[in-house]
This record gives sequence, structure tokens and C-alpha cells, in this order.
Amino acid sequence: GAVVSQHPSRVICKSGTSVKIECRSLDFQATTMFWYRQFPKKSLMLMATSNEGSKATYEQGVEKDKFLINHASLTLSTLTVTSAHPEDSSFYICSARDSRDRVSEQYFGPGTRLTVT
Amino acid sequence: GQSLEQPSEVTAVEGAIVQINCTYQTSGFYGLSWYQQHDGGAPTFLSYNALDGLEETGRFSSFLSRSDSYGYLLLQELQMKDSASYFCAVRSLDSSYKLIFGSGTRLLVRP
Repeated sequence: GAVVSQHPSRVICKSGTSVKIECRSLDFQATTMFWYRQFPKKSLMLMATSNEGSKATYEQGVEKDKFLINHASLTLSTLTVTSAHPEDSSFYICSARDSRDRVSEQYFGPGTRLTVT
Repeated sequence: GQSLEQPSEVTAVEGAIVQINCTYQTSGFYGLSWYQQHDGGAPTFLSYNALDGLEETGRFSSFLSRSDSYGYLLLQELQMKDSASYFCAVRSLDSSYKLIFGSGTRLLVRP
């Protein structure tokens, strides 16, 4: 089946530093990947849609200069949280859609728990 | 905008049947999906309704009624491992394929 990996699974960083999270589709090509943020016991909030070879599309209220997204290949998208602050602490999940798939199913990565101290 | 509302928590007994409802307000969408998420884990796809009616996949069934702006997930023969959060989601009508998730329902299965 379709597998999406994320790295790292957990990261702790200090305020003011930047953190990069990788999302990879392991056995399929994904022209489109999505980045979500999830607070404890809350729903998934879509942050942005990442398109291979083009700029990401950010949802309303998401700072594109703070959450940098790069989708340089058909199997890799990265999210960089720049100048992280404690309020950026959250669970970040990516998902990918198989380019050949006509159905809307998305395959989710295992998530990255970010803690900013 | 789009909003999908679900009950926040549901409790049921092992072996029983439980229904998780999803009511939505949206200008249009391609279909209604359901995802399961265990604490700290990734959402996993359960079911998809493109058309009105019932879709059955093993112990899980999902239903959609566009005229009523309503759908539900039915879990039968509940097992302890079914304790998790369940989310309905709709795919927007634009070409982005993005999903908008419901508020989520935490299901607790008791022995």
C-alpha cells in the first residue's frame, strides 16, 4: 500500500531557531502534498497545499514566511518552521495524494511532534 | 466557508454498534470521507461516499445524504482497539484535492 514517511518524528528546539520537517512518499509519486497542524484533542487544520515544482498554496491565516514549504521532487516535500516560538509547538502531519489516483484518498504520514522551549 | 460538525465524544460497549454523525455546511464537495486516528498516530482512511447511500467495508459502514447535509459512520461489533478519534472530511470542489476535516469524535469503547 501507499506509504508516507515523516522525519523527524519528534523534535525539541529552542525559541528563535528553525526546524525542517520532511515528508516523503515511499512507493508512489505525489504531485500534491498537504501539511496539517493538529493541537491536542483537536481536528486537523490544513495549513497549505504543496505542489511539486511550484509555490505552495497557503490557507487563510497561515503565515507563509513563517512556514516555508518546498516540494522539489515528486516524492519529497519539506516544511520549515522559521524562528520558532513556543506557540508553534504542535503535531504536524503531512499527507500525499497518489498522482495516478482518481479518488480523493490521501495517505498520511505518522506526524512530527514539535516542542519549542 | 465549509464546516463539518461531529459529536465530541461517544462511549459504547465492546460488541455493540455505534453511529458517529457528521453534519455539514458547505457550498459543494466531491465526496465524504472518514478517517480514524489513534492518539499520537496518523489518520487512516476508512471509507468514502461519492454518492448518496450506504457504503459497507467490513465492520465499518458509511452513509451520505446530500439533501440532508448529513452523513454517518457506523461501527459494528465494536472492539477495544476501535477506541480512537474519528473524522469526517470533504474534498473541495476546486482542483486542489484538499480535504476539510470535521471537528472529530473521540470514541471510547468500554469492556
